[in-house]
Amino acid sequence: SAVISQKPSRDICQRGTSLTIQCQVDSQVTMMFWYRQQPGQSLTLIATANQGSEATYESGFVIDKFPISRPNLTFSTLTVSNMSPEDSSIYLCSTGGNTEAFFGQGTRLTVV
Amino acid sequence: LAKTTQPISMDSYEGQEVNITCSHNNIATNDYITWYQQFPSQGPRFIIQGYKTKVTNEVASLFIPADRKSSTLSLPRVSLSDTAVYYCLVGDLNYGQNFVFGPGTRLSVLP
Repeated sequence: SAVISQKPSRDICQRGTSLTIQCQVDSQVTMMFWYRQQPGQSLTLIATANQGSEATYESGFVIDKFPISRPNLTFSTLTVSNMSPEDSSIYLCSTGGNTEAFFGQGTRLTVV
Repeated sequence: LAKTTQPISMDSYEGQEVNITCSHNNIATNDYITWYQQFPSQGPRFIIQGYKTKVTNEVASLFIPADRKSSTLSLPRVSLSDTAVYYCLVGDLNYGQNFVFGPGTRLSVLP
Protein backbone atom coordinates (compact mmCIF):
# COMPACT_ATOMS: atom_id res chain seq x y z
CA SER A 1 0.00 0.00 0.00
CA ALA A 2 0.99 3.64 -0.28
CA VAL A 3 0.27 6.60 1.95
CA ILE A 4 -0.12 9.92 0.19
CA SER A 5 0.16 13.28 1.90
CA GLN A 6 -1.13 16.39 0.20
CA LYS A 7 -0.46 19.97 1.16
CA PRO A 8 -2.18 22.29 1.65
CA SER A 9 -5.42 20.61 2.66
CA ARG A 10 -7.32 23.76 1.76
CA ASP A 11 -6.68 27.31 0.67
CA ILE A 12 -8.51 30.45 -0.32
CA CYS A 13 -6.78 32.36 -3.08
CA GLN A 14 -7.25 35.59 -4.95
CA ARG A 15 -8.05 35.44 -8.63
CA GLY A 16 -5.05 35.90 -10.87
CA THR A 17 -2.66 34.23 -8.45
CA SER A 18 -1.19 30.72 -8.53
CA LEU A 19 -1.19 27.89 -6.02
CA THR A 20 1.16 24.94 -5.91
CA ILE A 21 -0.13 21.72 -4.41
CA GLN A 22 2.35 19.18 -3.12
CA CYS A 23 1.94 15.43 -3.10
CA GLN A 24 4.29 13.19 -1.13
CA VAL A 25 4.19 9.40 -1.31
CA ASP A 26 5.75 7.20 1.35
CA SER A 27 7.25 4.85 -1.23
CA GLN A 28 8.74 5.08 -4.69
CA VAL A 29 6.15 4.95 -7.44
CA THR A 30 6.43 5.17 -11.20
CA MET A 31 3.15 6.83 -12.05
CA MET A 32 1.33 9.62 -10.27
CA PHE A 33 -1.94 11.15 -11.32
CA TRP A 34 -3.69 14.42 -10.66
CA TYR A 35 -7.49 14.69 -10.55
CA ARG A 36 -9.97 17.48 -10.09
CA GLN A 37 -13.29 17.00 -8.32
CA GLN A 38 -15.84 19.78 -8.33
CA PRO A 39 -18.34 19.87 -5.45
CA GLY A 40 -20.83 17.03 -5.70
CA GLN A 41 -19.24 15.74 -8.88
CA SER A 42 -17.07 12.83 -9.87
CA LEU A 43 -13.31 12.90 -10.41
CA THR A 44 -11.79 14.13 -13.65
CA LEU A 45 -8.25 13.17 -14.59
CA ILE A 46 -6.04 16.19 -15.26
CA ALA A 47 -2.73 14.56 -16.11
CA THR A 48 -0.38 11.66 -15.61
CA ALA A 49 3.06 12.44 -14.21
CA ASN A 50 5.96 10.06 -14.65
CA GLN A 51 9.35 10.75 -13.19
CA GLY A 52 11.83 11.97 -15.74
CA SER A 53 9.37 12.89 -18.46
CA GLU A 54 6.83 15.55 -19.28
CA ALA A 55 3.39 15.11 -17.84
CA THR A 56 0.66 13.85 -20.15
CA TYR A 57 -2.46 16.02 -20.05
CA GLU A 58 -6.03 14.96 -20.70
CA SER A 59 -8.28 16.79 -23.11
CA GLY A 60 -9.28 20.16 -21.73
CA PHE A 61 -6.22 20.60 -19.53
CA VAL A 62 -3.04 22.35 -20.64
CA ILE A 63 0.44 22.66 -19.23
CA ASP A 64 0.38 26.45 -19.06
CA LYS A 65 -2.62 26.35 -16.74
CA PHE A 66 -1.66 23.26 -14.72
CA PRO A 67 2.12 22.83 -14.77
CA ILE A 68 3.26 19.66 -13.05
CA SER A 69 6.62 18.71 -11.66
CA ARG A 70 7.85 15.21 -10.86
CA PRO A 71 11.39 15.60 -9.58
CA ASN A 72 11.67 12.11 -8.05
CA LEU A 73 9.79 8.89 -7.46
CA THR A 74 8.08 10.04 -4.26
CA PHE A 75 7.01 13.60 -4.97
CA SER A 76 4.97 15.68 -7.39
CA THR A 77 3.49 19.14 -7.54
CA LEU A 78 0.55 20.58 -9.41
CA THR A 79 0.31 24.33 -9.90
CA VAL A 80 -2.99 25.99 -10.66
CA SER A 81 -1.98 29.15 -12.51
CA ASN A 82 -3.71 32.48 -13.01
CA MET A 83 -6.66 31.26 -11.03
CA SER A 84 -10.27 32.22 -11.58
CA PRO A 85 -13.37 31.28 -9.55
CA GLU A 86 -13.99 28.44 -12.02
CA ASP A 87 -10.87 26.75 -10.66
CA SER A 88 -12.50 26.36 -7.27
CA SER A 89 -12.47 22.63 -6.76
CA ILE A 90 -10.85 19.75 -4.91
CA TYR A 91 -7.57 18.58 -6.38
CA LEU A 92 -6.36 15.07 -5.64
CA CYS A 93 -3.21 13.19 -6.42
CA SER A 94 -3.03 9.44 -6.68
CA THR A 95 -0.70 6.65 -7.48
CA GLY A 96 -1.25 3.13 -8.70
CA GLY A 97 -0.04 -0.17 -7.42
CA ASN A 98 -0.39 -3.48 -9.16
CA THR A 99 -4.00 -3.83 -8.14
CA GLU A 100 -5.28 -0.61 -6.67
CA ALA A 101 -4.88 3.13 -6.70
CA PHE A 102 -4.21 5.23 -3.62
CA PHE A 103 -5.47 8.75 -3.24
CA GLY A 104 -4.46 11.71 -1.17
CA GLN A 105 -7.02 13.51 0.98
CA GLY A 106 -7.30 16.26 -1.56
CA THR A 107 -6.75 20.02 -1.58
CA ARG A 108 -9.88 22.12 -1.38
CA LEU A 109 -9.25 25.30 -3.34
CA THR A 110 -11.52 28.32 -3.26
CA VAL A 111 -10.78 31.22 -5.59
CA VAL A 112 -12.30 34.55 -4.69
CA LEU B 1 -11.41 3.08 -21.75
CA ALA B 2 -14.70 1.32 -21.14
CA LYS B 3 -17.57 3.51 -20.08
CA THR B 4 -19.52 2.50 -17.00
CA THR B 5 -23.12 3.10 -16.01
CA GLN B 6 -24.37 2.95 -12.42
CA PRO B 7 -27.49 4.11 -10.60
CA ILE B 8 -27.04 7.68 -9.44
CA SER B 9 -28.35 7.00 -5.95
CA MET B 10 -29.65 4.27 -3.67
CA ASP B 11 -31.20 4.20 -0.23
CA SER B 12 -30.97 1.37 2.25
CA TYR B 13 -31.52 0.67 5.93
CA GLU B 14 -29.03 -0.46 8.49
CA GLY B 15 -28.48 -4.19 8.53
CA GLN B 16 -29.64 -4.76 4.97
CA GLU B 17 -27.57 -6.14 2.13
CA VAL B 18 -26.95 -3.63 -0.64
CA ASN B 19 -26.23 -4.57 -4.23
CA ILE B 20 -24.98 -1.94 -6.65
CA THR B 21 -24.83 -2.98 -10.29
CA CYS B 22 -22.56 -1.44 -12.88
CA SER B 23 -22.83 -1.86 -16.63
CA HIS B 24 -19.68 -1.89 -18.77
CA ASN B 25 -20.73 -3.20 -22.16
CA ASN B 26 -17.47 -2.24 -23.88
CA ILE B 27 -15.13 -3.92 -21.42
CA ALA B 28 -11.92 -5.11 -23.06
CA THR B 29 -10.22 -8.44 -22.62
CA ASN B 30 -7.45 -7.04 -20.41
CA ASP B 31 -9.69 -4.83 -18.29
CA TYR B 32 -10.22 -5.39 -14.60
CA ILE B 33 -13.21 -4.13 -12.63
CA THR B 34 -12.46 -2.12 -9.53
CA TRP B 35 -14.78 -0.50 -7.01
CA TYR B 36 -13.90 2.51 -4.88
CA GLN B 37 -15.65 4.20 -1.96
CA GLN B 38 -15.48 7.90 -1.27
CA PHE B 39 -16.55 9.74 1.85
CA PRO B 40 -16.97 13.52 1.89
CA SER B 41 -13.69 15.40 2.10
CA GLN B 42 -11.64 12.27 1.49
CA GLY B 43 -10.01 10.65 -1.51
CA PRO B 44 -11.50 7.46 -2.96
CA ARG B 45 -10.59 4.25 -1.20
CA PHE B 46 -10.20 0.83 -2.81
CA ILE B 47 -12.90 -1.70 -1.94
CA ILE B 48 -12.52 -4.68 -4.22
CA GLN B 49 -11.30 -5.76 -7.63
CA GLY B 50 -12.03 -8.66 -9.94
CA TYR B 51 -11.73 -10.02 -13.44
CA LYS B 52 -14.45 -12.66 -13.60
CA THR B 53 -16.74 -14.81 -11.42
CA LYS B 54 -16.83 -13.88 -7.76
CA VAL B 55 -14.40 -12.15 -5.47
CA THR B 56 -14.91 -11.69 -1.75
CA ASN B 57 -12.93 -9.82 0.86
CA GLU B 58 -13.58 -8.69 4.40
CA VAL B 59 -15.82 -5.80 3.37
CA ALA B 60 -17.59 -6.76 0.15
CA SER B 61 -18.23 -9.24 -2.61
CA LEU B 62 -17.99 -8.64 -6.32
CA PHE B 63 -20.02 -10.70 -8.76
CA ILE B 64 -19.05 -10.71 -12.42
CA PRO B 65 -21.04 -12.77 -14.97
CA ALA B 66 -19.36 -14.76 -17.69
CA ASP B 67 -19.80 -12.06 -20.34
CA ARG B 68 -18.26 -9.46 -18.00
CA LYS B 69 -20.55 -6.74 -19.33
CA SER B 70 -21.73 -5.92 -15.85
CA SER B 71 -20.70 -6.37 -12.25
CA THR B 72 -22.42 -6.17 -8.90
CA LEU B 73 -20.89 -4.89 -5.70
CA SER B 74 -22.52 -6.48 -2.67
CA LEU B 75 -22.21 -4.89 0.76
CA PRO B 76 -23.48 -7.20 3.52
CA ARG B 77 -25.37 -5.72 6.46
CA VAL B 78 -24.65 -2.05 5.83
CA SER B 79 -24.30 0.45 8.62
CA LEU B 80 -24.67 4.22 8.73
CA SER B 81 -20.93 4.54 8.14
CA ASP B 82 -21.33 2.95 4.72
CA THR B 83 -23.05 6.09 3.47
CA ALA B 84 -20.75 7.20 0.68
CA VAL B 85 -20.32 7.41 -3.07
CA TYR B 86 -19.33 4.16 -4.77
CA TYR B 87 -17.49 4.19 -8.08
CA CYS B 88 -17.21 1.32 -10.54
CA LEU B 89 -14.08 1.58 -12.68
CA VAL B 90 -12.88 -0.49 -15.58
CA GLY B 91 -9.36 -0.44 -16.92
CA ASP B 92 -6.24 -2.28 -18.00
CA LEU B 93 -3.91 -2.35 -15.00
CA ASN B 94 -0.91 -2.52 -17.31
CA TYR B 95 -1.56 1.10 -18.24
CA GLY B 96 -1.50 2.30 -14.68
CA GLN B 97 -4.31 3.47 -12.52
CA ASN B 98 -5.46 6.54 -14.46
CA PHE B 99 -9.11 5.77 -14.26
CA VAL B 100 -12.03 7.42 -15.97
CA PHE B 101 -14.49 8.00 -13.16
CA GLY B 102 -18.19 7.86 -13.87
CA PRO B 103 -20.72 9.72 -11.69
CA GLY B 104 -20.78 6.93 -9.10
CA THR B 105 -23.63 5.76 -6.91
CA ARG B 106 -24.52 7.78 -3.84
CA LEU B 107 -25.58 5.30 -1.19
CA SER B 108 -27.55 6.59 1.78
CA VAL B 109 -27.96 4.22 4.71
CA LEU B 110 -30.84 5.14 6.94
CA PRO B 111 -31.35 4.15 10.58
